[in-house]
Amino acid sequence: KAGVTQTPRYLIKTRGQQVTLSCSPISGHRSVSWYQQTPGQGLQFLFEYFSETQRNKGNFPGRFSGRQFSNSRSEMNVSTLELGDSALYLCASSSGQDPTDTQYFGPGTRLTVL
Amino acid sequence: AQSVTQPDIHITVSEGASLELRCNYSYGATPYLFWYVQSPGQGLQLLLKYFSGDTLVQGIKGFEAEFKRSQSSFNLRKPSVHWSDAAEYFCAVAPYNQGGKLIFGQGTELSVKP
Repeated sequence: KAGVTQTPRYLIKTRGQQVTLSCSPISGHRSVSWYQQTPGQGLQFLFEYFSETQRNKGNFPGRFSGRQFSNSRSEMNVSTLELGDSALYLCASSSGQDPTDTQYFGPGTRLTVL
Repeated sequence: AQSVTQPDIHITVSEGASLELRCNYSYGATPYLFWYVQSPGQGLQLLLKYFSGDTLVQGIKGFEAEFKRSQSSFNLRKPSVHWSDAAEYFCAVAPYNQGGKLIFGQGTELSVKP
């Protein structure tokens, strides 16, 4: 079974631009969660999508948004980029049926904002 | 609010020595607890999880963890560390009824001396 894939793996943007990251979950998984990882703040939950609906949201500004398609693939968008948005963005997929379900993480997208 | 604390930011052990990584959680109900490992440039991999039953949980790669409700702890242990265990380790809790959301501790970086 193929794992979680994220594209692109690396991205360099400048302040004020916007960016879209993509996540393809494991086949059959209906839940995709996004996390931001920085040295200072650690791993922080952004949001979760389940069956094309946002089911849960973390404490991030509205510049961070996402969506999920009917094939469970998910995209995350960050508008008006700030230097502080530089981070590793991880997505995770699971069946989404139960909080004890194992979440499988992708390798992440490393975003650098200049 | 739920939270996870990993008191040790960095630990160094000699190869072959035993290992214990500490994790304390703050959560009202029975927590769903996880340990993940992240190698450089990689996503997170689940080592083990606890949600009920036997308080000593066995995981992959020879790791185990013990849930102690009285101490609000879920410490990770390994009897004999290998050089390949050098990585960052994250403890996490899944809040009840919040879908796929995970709350992570700050992580413990493990170095292994030859």
